[in-house]
Amino acid sequence: DAKTTQPPSMDCAEGRAANLPCNHSTISGNEYVYWYRQIHSQGPQYIIHGLKNNETNEMASLIITEDRKSSTLILPHATLRDTAVYYCIVRAGNSGYALNFGKGTSLLVTP
Amino acid sequence: DTGVSQDPRHKITKRGQNVTFRCDPISEHNRLYWYRQTLGQGPEFLTYFQNEAQLEKSRLLSDRFSAERPKGSFSTLEIQRTEQGDSAMYLCASSLVYEHGEQFFGPGTRLTVL
Repeated sequence: DAKTTQPPSMDCAEGRAANLPCNHSTISGNEYVYWYRQIHSQGPQYIIHGLKNNETNEMASLIITEDRKSSTLILPHATLRDTAVYYCIVRAGNSGYALNFGKGTSLLVTP
Repeated sequence: DTGVSQDPRHKITKRGQNVTFRCDPISEHNRLYWYRQTLGQGPEFLTYFQNEAQLEKSRLLSDRFSAERPKGSFSTLEIQRTEQGDSAMYLCASSLVYEHGEQFFGPGTRLTVL
């Protein structure tokens, strides 16, 4: 699976959009980008995934660059409850089921 | 609450003792995963089952670790002769069998080895 690079920490004001970047320059054609988050003292929670098209669900939007070497997770209106560690994971959809979490980005949403 | 439960939530043991953790996945989920998470790190994959078959094991799963899922429902993770380095959060997750099966995680069992 391709390696990902994320900033260790970010801040965001409550009500603003949180844009979390992820670099995955060695991504292969059959690899998807997945995002999970982990709120303190809880297990990780799935957010969204995509291959090359932008994706949106009730939690977030995922923007993947045309060359697929980077992506951005967007939380459109961050709340205090969005404070968590966000993990960007690249994995082939049809092989291997382990998630390689890395260290993620610690997002702090402030009032 | 994701529907995945783990027991116990906390375990303190002395070095050299054996410990066993239990995971109850979401009932219709065929796949069950175990991960380990140490302070400041993301979860690391240990092993996974599809129904009762253990299909993949990480190199992190030393000979002192054994996992079972006897009837394809709940799973147990046993650590024999615990060491201080085993202190971590042990997370269980389950998913359906399809290509992008979202993994639902339990709250974890925090192990402290004295």
